[in-house]
Amino acid sequence: DTAVSQTPKYLVTQMGNDKSIKCEQNLGHDTMYWYKQDSKKFLKIMFSYNNKELIINETVPNRFSPKSPDKAHLNLHINSLELGDSAVYFCASSSSGAESYNEQFFGPGTRLTVL
Amino acid sequence: AQSVTQLDSQVPVFEEAPVELRCNYSSSVSVYLFWYVQYPNQGLQLLLKYLSGSTLVKGINGFEAEFNKSQTSFHLRKPSVHISDTAEYFCAVSGVGNTDKLIFGTGTRLQVFP
Repeated sequence: DTAVSQTPKYLVTQMGNDKSIKCEQNLGHDTMYWYKQDSKKFLKIMFSYNNKELIINETVPNRFSPKSPDKAHLNLHINSLELGDSAVYFCASSSSGAESYNEQFFGPGTRLTVL
Repeated sequence: AQSVTQLDSQVPVFEEAPVELRCNYSSSVSVYLFWYVQYPNQGLQLLLKYLSGSTLVKGINGFEAEFNKSQTSFHLRKPSVHISDTAEYFCAVSGVGNTDKLIFGTGTRLQVFP
C-alpha cells in the first residue's frame, strides 16, 4: 500500500502553461508538505499545511498555489510555468502529535520539465 | 533557526569497505536529527533518527549514526558497504516542536564500486 502518492510521476510542458500536481497520503497524518529538489539535489521546503491550514510558506513565487481540500490531500498548482520551475517536487506528510518528532514520509516525487 | 552542513558532496568507496558520511548542524534549541536515503529516481526513505537518549542510533540496512552534542555532529556510518548502497544521503534537522520544518543538508552522493 502506497503511503504517500503523487500524480503524475513525470510532467513535461511548455513555458507559460498552468499545471497541477496532486498528493495524497493514507497515513492519517495531519500535516503535509511540498519540497522542491533542484538539479543539484538540494531540497528546499516550499509549503506546509496542518489540518488544511497553511503554516509554512517559504519565499515562493505566487505563481505557486497549494490547495488542501482535506487533511489527506495537498495539491500544488503552478501558473505561467517558467524554465526555472523544472525540478523534482516531493510531497511529504507527518503527524503533529507529540510522538511524531516531525518524522516526515515522502512521496516518490514528480519530475517537472518545462520546455 | 537550524542549519545543516554536509561537507562531502561525493564519497567514493569500494564494496565491503567501511564508510562515514559527515553531518554537522547548528541550532539554538534542542533538535531531532534524521538521515534519509534517496535511491536513483525515487523518493526519500528514512534511514534512522535521533530523538533523545542513547547517542548511538541504529537504522535500516546496517547503518548507524552517533549524535555528538559537543561537536554538533551526527555522522552516518556503515562498517561494510554494498553496491546497492549507492545513493544520495541527506542529513536533516528539526527543532523540537510539533510543526517545525525539516532543514536538509545538501546531500552526499555515496558511490560504491565493485
